[in-house]
Parts: sequence; structure tokens; C-alpha cells
Amino acid sequence: QTVVTQEPSFSVSPGGTVTLTCGLSSGSVSASHYPSWYQQTPGQSPRTLIYNTNTRPSGVPDRFSGSILGNKVALTITGAQADDESDYYCVLYMGSGIWVFGGGTKLTVL
Amino acid sequence: QVQVVEFGGGLVKPGGSLRLSCAASGFTFSDYYMSWIRQAPGKGLEWVSYISSRGSIIKYADSVKGRFTISRDNAKNSLYLQMNSLRAEDTAMYHCAGGYNSHAFDFWGQGTMVTVSS
Repeated sequence: QTVVTQEPSFSVSPGGTVTLTCGLSSGSVSASHYPSWYQQTPGQSPRTLIYNTNTRPSGVPDRFSGSILGNKVALTITGAQADDESDYYCVLYMGSGIWVFGGGTKLTVL
Repeated sequence: QVQVVEFGGGLVKPGGSLRLSCAASGFTFSDYYMSWIRQAPGKGLEWVSYISSRGSIIKYADSVKGRFTISRDNAKNSLYLQMNSLRAEDTAMYHCAGGYNSHAFDFWGQGTMVTVSS
């Protein structure tokens, strides 16, 4: 049973920088997992922030960046804004058309 | 623009069946792989099922294997999820989502709610 781990919650001050991470219960995350990140505010469908570790779709501000951080993958938000307060999910591609989501991180901006 | 709209959700008794549909527009549907992803109330996202662009490869999460069937009709730009032997733990918002070559989900629908309760 593959478990993708994320911090349950995090807080950041307005204008600050925060790094959320996504790991595996067993083993390391690598680029071959094609890590992607999604932002979800209450009552809304998820929005794609990052795919393929560090690629931003058009329209996503460059305040959001993705990287590999040791044996995990990371989403960094620089210059946090009030409307960044959301749930953030990472998902890893396990191959052959199978994905596993992390449990999500609730980000508070205060 | 890319749009996917889900429908077919509702209230169903345990053991019952439901068929979800997802109508796509604004892109060449037959070029995209598609998935169903669900979210139980107050919980996180869970990948449910995948179908390749031509329908030749299909995968399921262990939690639904043997009970759910994903399919697509590229001529009708539509994705489906047949759900049988429904359980209370299948209660969730079901989103269809798709991608082209990213191994990710490039777009999402708003979802359709499925409630399994007696």
C-alpha cells in the first residue's frame, strides 16, 4: 500500500515564503513520479499549480514553484497572499495509469 | 475553452448502482487520457480510475476494483463511470479530470455528488 505523505497543516505570514513537502511512506520521490500539485479552496474544484515536478501551467503565478527536496518533492510559495489560503494536494504517478494523492496540506495565511 | 461537466450523481441505497457521465468540450477529447477522482465530505482527494485516450488501458483503485467500470465514447466526447454495489464509503463528490502528456490532471470538472445512504 503506497502512502503519499504531506504536512496536515502549515501557516505562513502574508508576504512570507512557505515550502510544503510531499513524500512516500517507503522510498524516495523522484522526477519519474511526475509530481504535480493542486490548489483547492472550499467548494471549488482543484486547480493545477505544478506538473512534472516544476512546470507551471499558463496563468499560474511564478510565486508558485516546484522542486525535488532530498527524498521528497516540494511546493514553494513566495510572497504569500491572503488568497493563497487553501488546501494543497500533491499527487504522484506510480506508472501504468495509476496515481496516488497525498492527504493534503491546509495552508493558513495569517 | 476546455470544459468538462459531470452529471448523474444522486442519492442511492447501499448495494445500488449509479452511472456518472462527463461531457467534454473545447478540446480534442480523443487525444486526452481521463480519470475519475473523488472527494468524500471533509476529506482529501482520491484517484478512482483511469482510461487511456483510445480506451485501451483501464486502471482502478483497489477500493473500487470489481465494482466500478470506466468507459468512454470518443464520438460523443463523453466519459462514464458505472458504479455498482455501492457502499456508504463511496459517498463523495466525483470529478472527471484529464490530461494530455503530463502524467497529471490538466483540467477538472466541478463534480457531481454521490450519496450512498439508506
